[in-house]
Amino acid sequence: KAGVTQTPRYLIKTRGQQVTLSCSPISGHRSVSWYQQTPGQGLQFLFEYFSETQRNKGNFPGRFSGRQFSNSRSEMNVSTLELGDSALYLCASSRGRGGEQFFGPGTRLTVL
Amino acid sequence: SQKIEQNSEALNIQEGKTATLTCNYTNYSPAYLQWYRQDPGRGPVFLLLIRENEKEKRKERLKVTFDTTLKQSLFHITASQPADSATYLCALPGGATNKLIFGTGTLLAVQP
Repeated sequence: KAGVTQTPRYLIKTRGQQVTLSCSPISGHRSVSWYQQTPGQGLQFLFEYFSETQRNKGNFPGRFSGRQFSNSRSEMNVSTLELGDSALYLCASSRGRGGEQFFGPGTRLTVL
Repeated sequence: SQKIEQNSEALNIQEGKTATLTCNYTNYSPAYLQWYRQDPGRGPVFLLLIRENEKEKRKERLKVTFDTTLKQSLFHITASQPADSATYLCALPGGATNKLIFGTGTLLAVQP
């Protein structure tokens, strides 16, 4: 069974640009969550999607958005990039609610 | 607000010894608690989930305890090996969805 895949793995952008990250969950998993990981703040929840609906949202500005498609694949978008957005962005999928989550390898975003 | 604390300093132990990691939480009554392992540059990997009505759970060389009175979970690795060296994260549910709130993690280094 294929694991969670994320593309691209590495990305370099400049301030003010926007970026779109993609996540393909494990087959059969309908929940996709996104997290931001930085050395200073650790792993922080961005949002969760389930059956194409945003089910929960973390404490991030509106520049961070996401969506989920009918095949459960998800994308997150960050507009007007800031230096502080440099981080490892992780996506996790799960089958239902309240169980283990399967993380992808992450997308390393560097904002210059 | 909810707060999760893990050993902030790295834990160095000798191969073959038992490693014990601590996760303390406040302002919270979680229905379960999860432990993950994360290697550098990779996504977290699920290890164990323990529910509030379970005192202890085991999986091979791993053992987790959950004391809801002390608001603490202990994570043990017996007969530790250098391959166990990684960052270990505890995570609690952030509500009725799949949102997880992560601790800052403890870096474990097992010396041969």
